[in-house]
Order: sequence, then C-alpha cells, then structure tokens
Amino acid sequence: DIVLTQSPTTLSVTPGETVSLSCRASHSIGTNLHWYQQKTNESPRLLIKYASQSISGIPSRFSASGSGTDFTLNINNVEFDDVSSYFCQQTQSWPYTFGAGTKLELK
Amino acid sequence: QVQLKETGPGLVQPTQTLSITCTVSGFSLTSYYMQWVRQTPGKGLEWMGFIRSGGSTEYNSEFKSRLSISRDTSKNQVFLKMNSLKTEDTGVYYCARGYNNFDYWGQGVMVTVSS
Repeated sequence: DIVLTQSPTTLSVTPGETVSLSCRASHSIGTNLHWYQQKTNESPRLLIKYASQSISGIPSRFSASGSGTDFTLNINNVEFDDVSSYFCQQTQSWPYTFGAGTKLELK
Repeated sequence: QVQLKETGPGLVQPTQTLSITCTVSGFSLTSYYMQWVRQTPGKGLEWMGFIRSGGSTEYNSEFKSRLSISRDTSKNQVFLKMNSLKTEDTGVYYCARGYNNFDYWGQGVMVTVSS
C-alpha cells in the first residue's frame, strides 16, 4: 500500500500568515493526489484535485503543487474559517489511501 | 442539487453485521462511481471500496472478506454491508461520489460497535 506522510501534525498560525502543508508518498504517484479540508464534526470537503487543480467554489487562497512523491498545499492569508484538519489522498493505486492529516490552529 | 445521506443503526454488537444505506439525489448512480470511506480513531480515514457506474465493485483488501457494496438505482440508494464487526470498526462511515477524487460526501453516520 502507498503510505502518505503529512507534516506537520499540527500547525499553529496567526491570521494573515501564509502556510505550507506537506504530503509525502512512499512511492511515486504522479499527480494522483487530492487534498481535503475537514472541519470539526463535518465531512471532508474536496479542496484540490490532481495535485494542483482548483475546485469550483474553493477560495483562491488555497493552492497546491507537486508530483511524484512530494506535494504541498499552500494557504495564503490564513483566515479564522480555515481552522480545520487537512488530508491528502492518493488514487494512483488501490487501495486508495489517506494521510493522517495536518491540524491547522490559529494563535 | 447534489445530496448524499447515510442512514444506519448507530449501535452494533460485536460479531454482528453492519448495514448502511446511502441515499442520493441530484445525480444518477449510473453516471458516477460511489465510494465508502470510514474514519476511525485508530486508523483515521480509510477507503473501503466503491461501486462503479456500471455496477461492478472494488474493495480494499483490508475489508474484502467481510464487506459488500451494492445499489438499487431505482431508489437512488447505495448499500454497505460488513460482517463480523469488531470494536475497532467503531467510527464514522461516509459515502462519497467520484471515481478518484471525491467531490461530494454525505454527512456520515456514527457507528459504535459495543455489547
């Protein structure tokens, strides 16, 4: 199975900061990597598909990049509404797998 | 608009069978893959399996021996059945739409496995 390692586990930031969240794959997955946001007691929400493709309705402050084994989710000008856990998911091969997540907190 | 909603038992005894229904609206099951994903305290988000738009299925080998996914397109429903439940199966079970990236999710149903 492909293991996705997300870092950091927790990120504490000040509103207005720009942050980068990392997701590393144990094997090359091309760009078959997707990012989700999950707020407390809510379902995950698709943020980015195929490593860097934007999703309709998602604020433009969310962007992402990467290919192969190293991927990054960037959040510009972090807002209070961004307090969530962020998960990456690979769909290069079965079983699809998710990372353990990065929890974004605000100072 | 697209909506998905899971319904299930809430509490299941160990060794028993879990049955969850995902009822969808706003799209056709014959046009989209439907996924099942669970979130447990022990393992986080886990992909369980999917049913293709054509009706065939694929399962995570982690669950393959005890998991079944099916559907009734006339009722816009997708079903998950998993037997031989253990306490470690306690968690939130979601249905989601999509082949690989999952663009719509249900609200999830909390399942507790306990005697």
